Amino acid sequence: SQELEQSPQSLIVQEGKNLTINCTSSKTLYGLYWYKQKYGEGLIFLMMLQKGGEEKSHEKITAKLDEKKQQSSLHITASQPSHAGIYLCGAGANAGGTSYGKLTFGQGTILTVHP
Amino acid sequence: SAVISQKPSRDICQRGTSLTIQCQVDSQVTMMFWYRQQPGQSLTLIATANQGSEATYESGFVIDKFPISRPNLTFSTLTVSNMSPEDSSIYLCSVERGFSYNEQFFGPGTRLTVL
Repeated sequence: SQELEQSPQSLIVQEGKNLTINCTSSKTLYGLYWYKQKYGEGLIFLMMLQKGGEEKSHEKITAKLDEKKQQSSLHITASQPSHAGIYLCGAGANAGGTSYGKLTFGQGTILTVHP
Repeated sequence: SAVISQKPSRDICQRGTSLTIQCQVDSQVTMMFWYRQQPGQSLTLIATANQGSEATYESGFVIDKFPISRPNLTFSTLTVSNMSPEDSSIYLCSVERGFSYNEQFFGPGTRLTVL
């Protein structure tokens, strides 16, 4: 079965600093998803990557999928307290087509941003 | 994105009782998933619920404990039966939707505490 490892497990940064969270898979990634979760709440969809070398950005968050499709990174520029939360990466079970199917998740990265 | 609602948002239940969680989506979707997030843990898939067929359960989850209904393309229920304190978790439904039907969106979750 596929396993995802996120690093770091937790991160504390000062407001305005840049940061990167990594997600590494033991197998090829098909449909790599990034989510943000506030404590005790649901998951907010950030973005999804499918192709090797793909990069997507939304506001100050950029996600990349490496060429070999076994690692993804999430980069936040000029972090703000509103970025605080748990960041989760998830990988699809299927090779694609119209459905990546169920997701396997990493253990999450807890981000704290101090004002 | 998809608008997903869950009821109840939270509940406190007694050991041995059952709770049914509802998941409503704002449009028709083929695939729906039910996940569990135990305290301090990442998400684990319970089952895949497709309309018109029985739910497919993951290893470690059985229908007698987590019966699922999927009466139409916008609604599903998950019942947690004969609850014990170990069932205390956040339960989340998700749907797969998007232009290429590959994006997955999550509901706000149901926080269950079993005494």
